[in-house]
Amino acid sequence: DAGVIQSPRHEVTEMGQEVTLRCKPISGHDYLFWYRQTMMRGLELLIYFNNNVPIDDSGMPEDRFSAKMPNASFSTLKIQPSEPRDSAVYFCASSLSGGTTDTQYFGPGTRLTVL
Amino acid sequence: QKEVEQNSGPLSVPEGAIASLNCTYSDRGSQSFFWYRQYSGKSPELIMFIYSNGDKEDGRFTAQLNKASQYVSLLIRDSQPSDSATYLCAVGNSGGGADGLTFGKGTHLIIQP
Repeated sequence: DAGVIQSPRHEVTEMGQEVTLRCKPISGHDYLFWYRQTMMRGLELLIYFNNNVPIDDSGMPEDRFSAKMPNASFSTLKIQPSEPRDSAVYFCASSLSGGTTDTQYFGPGTRLTVL
Repeated sequence: QKEVEQNSGPLSVPEGAIASLNCTYSDRGSQSFFWYRQYSGKSPELIMFIYSNGDKEDGRFTAQLNKASQYVSLLIRDSQPSDSATYLCAVGNSGGGADGLTFGKGTHLIIQP
């Protein structure tokens, strides 16, 4: 399996622009997670899906952030409008069943820079 | 707000010695605990998990859990330069890991040849 796939790997944009990050989970995995990592705050959970349904979006920082999962093999995280403080590495992760000790497999991440 | 605390380091350990990484967590109801390794510029990868009090060994790695003290540790025996990385402690957010993980900010480990 190719693992979790994210695109783009790097994104540089200007403040106010819309940014869309994409994720393809591992085939057969029922859970998909979006995380954000910064030096100041570390790795934070933004939102997660189970069987394409958003379960908990309490980590989404503001209404500027939105996430969708239209099917089992694709998810997007959108920021509109983007701000410099959104600069971070965004990781997507998936797991098979979300059980107590089920492994979350992380994608390579998207490094976002907002100027 | 659940919190996971780690010493940011850097923790410097000579090659061949035992590296000891520590983590404390705030939610007494937490039941699952994970150690991830993250190389610079890479994504986190799971090393091991533990959910019962005591020790769990996997090769050169030993995870230790003390729920009464809300304390998790990771020991790396016969440490190698390739073990140099940031180690992230993570705690399951409910009875399991189904609803994502709360991560510490990580400890930067340096193994000196």
